[in-house]
Amino acid sequence: DAKTTQPTSMDCAEGRAANLPCNHSTISGNEYVYWYRQIHSQGPQYIIHGLKNNETNEMASLIITEDRKSSTLILPHATLRDTAVYYCIVRVAPLQTGANNLFFGTGTRLTVIP
Amino acid sequence: GAVVSQHPSWVICKSGTSVKIECRSLDFQATTMFWYRQFPKQSLMLMATSNEGSKATYEQGVEKDKFLINHASLTLSTLTVTSAHPEDSSFYICSASIDFTDTQYFGPGTRLTVL
Repeated sequence: DAKTTQPTSMDCAEGRAANLPCNHSTISGNEYVYWYRQIHSQGPQYIIHGLKNNETNEMASLIITEDRKSSTLILPHATLRDTAVYYCIVRVAPLQTGANNLFFGTGTRLTVIP
Repeated sequence: GAVVSQHPSWVICKSGTSVKIECRSLDFQATTMFWYRQFPKQSLMLMATSNEGSKATYEQGVEKDKFLINHASLTLSTLTVTSAHPEDSSFYICSASIDFTDTQYFGPGTRLTVL
């Protein structure tokens, strides 16, 4: 079942920050927010994940609201190679459920424009 | 780090034949590997989860006798599509994680076309 809501598509100018929102209003306290992206005809690429604190790595930043009901993935300087479908996934801690499933919804198709 | 490869990247076969797809974790040992399928313009759907040395767990609606999964080592899992039919044509993607709780890293996918 989809636990996240994302816009279907977004455009971003090359060199600007891309801010991709995700709503997960029913998230539970033990559920993580994961972001993956899939460039056309390739396997998904892991970007970042977090529980409640903001996270940053070499690819992106993840901002999670204090109530954890929404988050934003930020690509600080979008390039043409960032054009992809971005998936926001809520994942329960596997130890608590015995499952490590990732449910891929429809995601957001980000197009970076020159 | 965390690189996963798949072989072949694409394959075309005749209806009724079997096709084997390999998934390898190149720079880490993967206790758990996952197999997904993606039809055109659709999202990924999990087919099965396999743990090294044990039988795979299949998702509802996935025929275990048709999609044979072997996870014989910590770096290799194989998916064999037996008696393939045109409706099995799809993009098959594997992922691997160091252990059951860890982040999944995906392979580049294998495009299967059954004629």
